[in-house]
Formats: sequence, structure tokens, C-alpha cells
Amino acid sequence: EDQVTQSPEALRLQEGESSSLNCSYTVSGLRGLFWYRQDPGKGPEFLFTLYSAGEEKEKERLKATLTKKESFLHITAPKPEDSATYLCAVQVLGDTGFQKLVFGTGTRLLVSP
Amino acid sequence: GAVVSQHPSRVICKSGTSVKIECRSLDFQATTMFWYRQFPKQSLMLMATSNEGSKATYEQGVEKDKFLINHASLTLSTLTVTSAHPEDSSFYICSARVWGTDYEQYFGPGTRLTVT
Repeated sequence: EDQVTQSPEALRLQEGESSSLNCSYTVSGLRGLFWYRQDPGKGPEFLFTLYSAGEEKEKERLKATLTKKESFLHITAPKPEDSATYLCAVQVLGDTGFQKLVFGTGTRLLVSP
Repeated sequence: GAVVSQHPSRVICKSGTSVKIECRSLDFQATTMFWYRQFPKQSLMLMATSNEGSKATYEQGVEKDKFLINHASLTLSTLTVTSAHPEDSSFYICSARVWGTDYEQYFGPGTRLTVT
């Protein structure tokens, strides 16, 4: 069974205190790993897609990396506006024959000023 | 670009009634749209995959007759929750896959359904 595990469940940082979020996965055939940001009561906002081990992508204070078994989302010098839930998802071929996203339960990040 | 809208954003209905939720891709064509459900502090669970012009494909455990999905055009998919019950109360989110790409999905803002 395809599984995605994110850690920690919740993370509290001071403004400027860098850290990393982890996403480990067990899938039968990875067709992409996605990072999304979700604010309360809203839909996920697309951040990154990674396709192969060793790949890295950056956007402002965020950097995503991928290995064969996990992905990290590094947050450098976070600001309070970075507070959100960060979701990791893997794209796999579902039983229906269609590709689908399998999501982890997310990491709730709170950045204090 | 790649904006997805949903309507309504919130809806309250009585038990036994039906509710329709619309999902639109505003600035792109979406051959495939997806419907998810999210319970409080839980992750998104895929309910069904909707391809334009064909029947939706439902995930295991999702009742087809209860959650009716129609994808009549490249920019519109609808989810109708029939004979709603309080346990159907949840956050329903749609996403759309950009035409010409294999993987990227863009999500709508979600619809909060409360069944009383």
C-alpha cells in the first residue's frame, strides 16, 4: 500500500529560525512528489514538484529536496507569514488505472515574531 | 495562471436534501478534475477522478450514487451530494490537471458542507 508519512506533526519556530520538514514515502512506483501549502479553511497551494532523486527546487525561503525514500522542505529564516500546514503528496498509479495523489497528514508550522 | 474556483464556499443544508458544488478552471482547460474530502486535522482523501465527457471513476469505498460527479466541459465539474446526512459534513476540495501536463494539480479553495 502506498504510504506517505510527514514529520513532525507540528513545529513551532521563532522568526528567523531555520528548520526542515520531512516527508517519507513507500510507494510502488513514484511518478512525482509534490509539496503544497494549506492555510486554514482553504485549498492547498502548489509549491513544488520533484521527479527524481537528487532533484532540488527553490522558491523564496523554501527549498525542496528529494531522495529515493524521502523529501525535505527546508525553510530558511522563516517569517510569520510562512505559518501554514505543509502537505506532501506522491503521485502514483491508482487501482482505477488513473494517476492519483496520495497525501500525508501534513506538518503544521507556526512561526512566532 | 492555473486558477481553480469553487462555488459555494460554504453551504448548510438539512438532512435528506441534495447539494451541488461547482468546480471551475478559470484560465486553463482541464481534461481531468479530482474531488477530495478533508476531515478536520486530517489529510485530503481522493474521492473520484473526473474526465471530461466520460463517467467519473470512484475510489474504493466512495458511494457513486451518493456523490454524483459530472464533468460536462473542459472547465467545469460538479459534485452533487444526494440525500445528505450529518456524517457527510466535511470540507470538499476539487483540483484540476492542466491540459498537456502529466502531473501538476491545482486546487480550488474548498467548500465547507454542514448537514444539520
